[in-house]
Amino acid sequence: SQQGEEDPQALSIQEGENATMNCSYKTSINNLQWYRQNSGRGLVHLILIRSNEREKHSGRLRVTLDTSKKSSSLLITASRAADTASYFCATADSGQNCVFGPGTRWSVLP
Amino acid sequence: EAGVAQSPRYKIIEKRQSVAFWCNPISGHATLYWYQQILGQGPKLLIQFQNNGVVDDSQLPKDRFSAERLKGVDSTLKIQPAKLEDSAVYLCASSKVPIGRGNEAFFGQGTRLTVV
Repeated sequence: SQQGEEDPQALSIQEGENATMNCSYKTSINNLQWYRQNSGRGLVHLILIRSNEREKHSGRLRVTLDTSKKSSSLLITASRAADTASYFCATADSGQNCVFGPGTRWSVLP
Repeated sequence: EAGVAQSPRYKIIEKRQSVAFWCNPISGHATLYWYQQILGQGPKLLIQFQNNGVVDDSQLPKDRFSAERLKGVDSTLKIQPAKLEDSAVYLCASSKVPIGRGNEAFFGQGTRLTVV
Protein backbone atom coordinates (compact mmCIF):
# COMPACT_ATOMS: atom_id res chain seq x y z
CA SER A 1 0.00 0.00 0.00
CA GLN A 2 1.20 3.52 -0.67
CA GLN A 3 -0.50 4.79 2.47
CA GLY A 4 1.42 7.45 4.31
CA GLU A 5 1.88 7.09 8.02
CA GLU A 6 2.45 10.09 10.24
CA ASP A 7 4.79 10.16 13.18
CA PRO A 8 4.30 10.92 16.02
CA GLN A 9 0.70 9.89 16.53
CA ALA A 10 0.21 12.65 19.10
CA LEU A 11 2.21 15.70 20.04
CA SER A 12 1.86 18.45 22.65
CA ILE A 13 3.97 21.58 22.61
CA GLN A 14 3.94 25.04 24.14
CA GLU A 15 2.73 28.07 22.24
CA GLY A 16 5.58 29.71 20.36
CA GLU A 17 7.58 26.52 19.91
CA ASN A 18 8.27 24.82 16.59
CA ALA A 19 6.90 21.38 15.85
CA THR A 20 7.80 18.78 13.29
CA MET A 21 5.79 15.78 12.20
CA ASN A 22 6.87 13.15 9.74
CA CYS A 23 5.18 11.05 7.09
CA SER A 24 6.53 7.84 5.62
CA TYR A 25 5.10 6.00 2.63
CA LYS A 26 5.82 2.85 0.68
CA THR A 27 5.46 3.31 -3.07
CA SER A 28 6.26 5.89 -5.75
CA ILE A 29 4.21 9.06 -5.63
CA ASN A 30 3.34 12.00 -7.88
CA ASN A 31 2.84 14.40 -5.02
CA LEU A 32 2.34 14.55 -1.27
CA GLN A 33 -0.06 16.87 0.48
CA TRP A 34 -0.61 17.90 4.08
CA TYR A 35 -4.07 18.63 5.46
CA ARG A 36 -5.32 19.94 8.78
CA GLN A 37 -8.56 18.92 10.47
CA ASN A 38 -10.04 20.79 13.39
CA SER A 39 -12.31 18.80 15.68
CA GLY A 40 -15.66 18.08 14.06
CA ARG A 41 -14.72 19.74 10.77
CA GLY A 42 -13.66 18.79 7.28
CA LEU A 43 -10.05 18.75 6.14
CA VAL A 44 -8.27 21.89 4.97
CA HIS A 45 -5.43 21.73 2.49
CA LEU A 46 -2.16 23.19 3.80
CA ILE A 47 0.55 22.54 1.24
CA LEU A 48 1.43 20.29 -1.71
CA ILE A 49 4.90 19.14 -2.71
CA ARG A 50 5.57 17.38 -5.98
CA SER A 51 7.85 14.38 -6.34
CA ASN A 52 10.52 16.48 -8.12
CA GLU A 53 10.62 19.06 -5.32
CA ARG A 54 12.64 18.80 -2.13
CA GLU A 55 11.34 21.69 -0.04
CA LYS A 56 8.46 24.17 -0.01
CA HIS A 57 7.45 27.03 2.23
CA SER A 58 4.10 28.62 2.92
CA GLY A 59 3.89 31.15 5.72
CA ARG A 60 4.83 29.34 8.94
CA LEU A 61 4.87 25.98 7.18
CA ARG A 62 7.89 24.22 5.74
CA VAL A 63 7.60 20.88 4.00
CA THR A 64 10.43 18.63 2.88
CA LEU A 65 10.30 15.54 0.72
CA ASP A 66 12.95 12.84 0.45
CA THR A 67 11.85 10.40 -2.24
CA SER A 68 14.88 8.17 -1.67
CA LYS A 69 13.75 7.60 1.92
CA LYS A 70 10.06 7.81 1.01
CA SER A 71 9.44 10.36 3.73
CA SER A 72 8.22 13.89 4.24
CA SER A 73 8.27 16.28 7.15
CA LEU A 74 6.01 19.19 8.07
CA LEU A 75 7.49 21.93 10.24
CA ILE A 76 5.23 24.54 11.80
CA THR A 77 7.09 27.45 13.36
CA ALA A 78 5.96 29.75 16.18
CA SER A 79 2.96 27.57 16.99
CA ARG A 80 -0.33 29.09 18.14
CA ALA A 81 -3.26 27.70 20.09
CA ALA A 82 -5.28 27.85 16.86
CA ASP A 83 -2.88 25.30 15.32
CA THR A 84 -4.33 22.61 17.61
CA ALA A 85 -5.75 20.04 15.21
CA SER A 86 -5.11 16.70 13.55
CA TYR A 87 -2.65 16.76 10.67
CA PHE A 88 -2.73 14.26 7.83
CA CYS A 89 -0.38 13.53 4.99
CA ALA A 90 -1.90 12.30 1.75
CA THR A 91 0.07 10.61 -0.99
CA ALA A 92 -1.09 10.69 -4.60
CA ASP A 93 0.19 8.36 -7.29
CA SER A 94 0.02 8.59 -11.08
CA GLY A 95 -3.18 6.59 -11.01
CA GLN A 96 -5.03 9.58 -9.54
CA ASN A 97 -5.53 7.78 -6.25
CA CYS A 98 -4.93 9.73 -3.04
CA VAL A 99 -4.43 7.91 0.26
CA PHE A 100 -4.47 9.52 3.69
CA GLY A 101 -2.43 8.43 6.68
CA PRO A 102 -3.90 7.95 10.18
CA GLY A 103 -2.87 11.45 11.26
CA THR A 104 -1.02 13.22 14.04
CA ARG A 105 -3.06 14.80 16.82
CA TRP A 106 -1.25 17.99 17.74
CA SER A 107 -2.05 20.12 20.78
CA VAL A 108 -0.61 23.57 21.36
CA LEU A 109 -0.71 24.54 25.02
CA PRO A 110 -1.02 28.21 26.00
CA GLU B 1 -16.15 31.01 -3.79
CA ALA B 2 -18.71 28.76 -2.10
CA GLY B 3 -17.29 25.62 -0.51
CA VAL B 4 -18.36 22.01 -0.70
CA ALA B 5 -21.82 21.64 0.83
CA GLN B 6 -22.97 18.48 2.56
CA SER B 7 -26.19 17.52 4.26
CA PRO B 8 -27.31 16.46 6.71
CA ARG B 9 -24.65 17.33 9.29
CA TYR B 10 -25.74 14.61 11.68
CA LYS B 11 -27.79 11.45 11.33
CA ILE B 12 -28.72 8.75 13.82
CA ILE B 13 -30.33 5.57 12.51
CA GLU B 14 -30.95 2.05 13.70
CA LYS B 15 -29.04 -0.83 12.17
CA ARG B 16 -30.61 -2.28 9.04
CA GLN B 17 -32.18 1.07 8.17
CA SER B 18 -31.15 3.02 5.10
CA VAL B 19 -29.62 6.48 4.89
CA ALA B 20 -28.57 8.90 2.17
CA PHE B 21 -26.06 11.73 2.15
CA TRP B 22 -25.93 14.59 -0.29
CA CYS B 23 -22.97 16.60 -1.60
CA ASN B 24 -22.78 19.70 -3.77
CA PRO B 25 -19.17 20.27 -4.91
CA ILE B 26 -17.51 23.55 -5.79
CA SER B 27 -18.73 24.82 -9.14
CA GLY B 28 -16.50 23.71 -11.99
CA HIS B 29 -14.81 20.89 -10.08
CA ALA B 30 -14.85 17.80 -12.24
CA THR B 31 -13.57 15.39 -9.62
CA LEU B 32 -15.65 14.39 -6.60
CA TYR B 33 -14.70 12.06 -3.76
CA TRP B 34 -16.53 10.37 -0.91
CA TYR B 35 -14.40 9.43 2.10
CA GLN B 36 -15.30 7.50 5.24
CA GLN B 37 -13.52 8.63 8.41
CA ILE B 38 -13.86 6.43 11.47
CA LEU B 39 -13.11 8.14 14.76
CA GLY B 40 -9.37 8.44 15.34
CA GLN B 41 -8.43 7.37 11.81
CA GLY B 42 -7.58 9.05 8.55
CA PRO B 43 -10.14 9.37 5.75
CA LYS B 44 -10.59 6.27 3.57
CA LEU B 45 -11.62 6.73 -0.04
CA LEU B 46 -14.94 5.09 -0.86
CA ILE B 47 -15.49 6.33 -4.40
CA GLN B 48 -14.07 8.86 -6.85
CA PHE B 49 -16.00 10.39 -9.75
CA GLN B 50 -14.63 12.21 -12.77
CA ASN B 51 -17.61 14.22 -14.03
CA ASN B 52 -20.39 11.62 -13.81
CA GLY B 53 -18.19 8.57 -14.35
CA VAL B 54 -16.71 6.37 -11.61
CA VAL B 55 -12.89 6.38 -11.54
CA ASP B 56 -12.29 4.29 -8.42
CA ASP B 57 -14.79 2.43 -6.24
CA SER B 58 -12.51 -0.42 -5.20
CA GLN B 59 -13.06 0.22 -1.47
CA LEU B 60 -16.81 0.76 -1.66
CA PRO B 61 -18.76 -2.09 0.02
CA LYS B 62 -21.03 -2.53 -2.96
CA ASP B 63 -23.38 -4.94 -1.23
CA ARG B 64 -24.67 -2.07 0.92
CA PHE B 65 -23.18 1.20 -0.35
CA SER B 66 -24.09 2.97 -3.58
CA ALA B 67 -23.26 6.38 -4.99
CA GLU B 68 -24.21 8.38 -8.01
CA ARG B 69 -23.33 11.71 -9.51
CA LEU B 70 -26.08 12.76 -11.85
CA LYS B 71 -25.17 15.30 -14.53
CA GLY B 72 -21.64 15.48 -13.14
CA VAL B 73 -22.53 17.91 -10.36
CA ASP B 74 -24.30 16.87 -7.13
CA SER B 75 -23.73 13.45 -5.66
CA THR B 76 -25.53 11.16 -3.24
CA LEU B 77 -24.12 8.32 -1.17
CA LYS B 78 -26.52 5.70 0.15
CA ILE B 79 -26.16 2.93 2.69
CA GLN B 80 -28.75 0.17 2.73
CA PRO B 81 -28.90 -1.62 5.12
CA ALA B 82 -26.67 0.11 7.66
CA LYS B 83 -24.46 -1.79 10.09
CA LEU B 84 -23.03 -0.67 13.42
CA GLU B 85 -19.54 -0.47 11.89
CA ASP B 86 -20.78 2.15 9.41
CA SER B 87 -20.77 4.73 12.21
CA ALA B 88 -18.32 7.34 10.95
CA VAL B 89 -18.05 10.78 9.40
CA TYR B 90 -18.69 10.76 5.66
CA LEU B 91 -16.70 13.44 3.91
CA CYS B 92 -17.27 14.75 0.42
CA ALA B 93 -14.45 16.51 -1.40
CA SER B 94 -13.96 18.00 -4.84
CA SER B 95 -11.07 19.18 -6.98
CA LYS B 96 -10.66 20.75 -10.43
CA VAL B 97 -8.65 17.78 -11.65
CA PRO B 98 -7.71 14.58 -9.79
CA ILE B 99 -5.46 15.01 -6.75
CA GLY B 100 -2.87 12.74 -8.36
CA ARG B 101 -2.27 15.41 -10.99
CA GLY B 102 -1.24 17.92 -8.40
CA ASN B 103 -4.49 19.56 -7.39
CA GLU B 104 -5.68 20.13 -3.85
CA ALA B 105 -9.00 18.77 -2.67
CA PHE B 106 -11.61 20.90 -0.93
CA PHE B 107 -13.61 19.15 1.76
CA GLY B 108 -17.10 19.64 3.08
CA GLN B 109 -17.85 19.62 6.82
CA GLY B 110 -18.98 16.01 6.66
CA THR B 111 -21.99 14.05 7.83
CA ARG B 112 -21.59 12.32 11.17
CA LEU B 113 -23.51 9.02 11.04
CA THR B 114 -24.30 7.06 14.18
CA VAL B 115 -25.80 3.60 13.77
CA VAL B 116 -27.41 2.22 16.93
